[in-house]
Amino acid sequence: KAGVTQTPRYLIKTRGQQVTLSCSPISGHRSVSWYQQTPGQGLQFLFEYFSETQRNKGNFPGRFSGRQFSNSRSEMNVSTLELGDSALYLCASRPGQVMTDTQYFGPGTRLTVL
Amino acid sequence: DQQVKQNSPSLSVQEGRISILNCDYTNSMFDYFLWYKKYPAEGPTFLISISSIKDKNEDGRFTVFLNKSAKHLSLHIVPSQPGDSAVYFCAASKSGGYQKVTFGTGTKLQVIP
Repeated sequence: KAGVTQTPRYLIKTRGQQVTLSCSPISGHRSVSWYQQTPGQGLQFLFEYFSETQRNKGNFPGRFSGRQFSNSRSEMNVSTLELGDSALYLCASRPGQVMTDTQYFGPGTRLTVL
Repeated sequence: DQQVKQNSPSLSVQEGRISILNCDYTNSMFDYFLWYKKYPAEGPTFLISISSIKDKNEDGRFTVFLNKSAKHLSLHIVPSQPGDSAVYFCAASKSGGYQKVTFGTGTKLQVIP
């Protein structure tokens, strides 16, 4: 079974631009979560989608948004980029929304904002 | 508000010895805890978990201990191997549906051959 894939792997943008990141979960997985990883902050939860509905949201400004499609693929969008948005963005999928289901992470998208 | 804390950013251990990684949490509602391992340029991979109804869980060389009264958990790796060199993240959640996972800041483990 293919793992979680994220595209693109690397991205360079300038302040004020917007960006869209994509995540394809493991086949059959219906839950997708997004995290931001920055040095010293660990993984910060952004949001989780299950069956095309956002089920949970972290403490990020409204510039961060996401969606999930009927095939469980997910995208996250960051508008009006700021320097502080430079980070590794990780996507994780799991079969359902049961907490004890293991989350499988993709390799991440490294976003650099100049 | 960092609800899951890993106070040691790094740890060095000799090959064959025990590695002990520590994690503290502040939210008493957390009842499910996990450890993930992350190599550079890869996403985190699940290592081991423990429910609050237990105080210990083992999986091969990895053992997680939970002290609920102290809100503390630790990961023991015995014996440590060079391939264990990675960043280890502690994570916690409440059980039940739609619960988010809160991660710590990570501890970088280096196992010296």
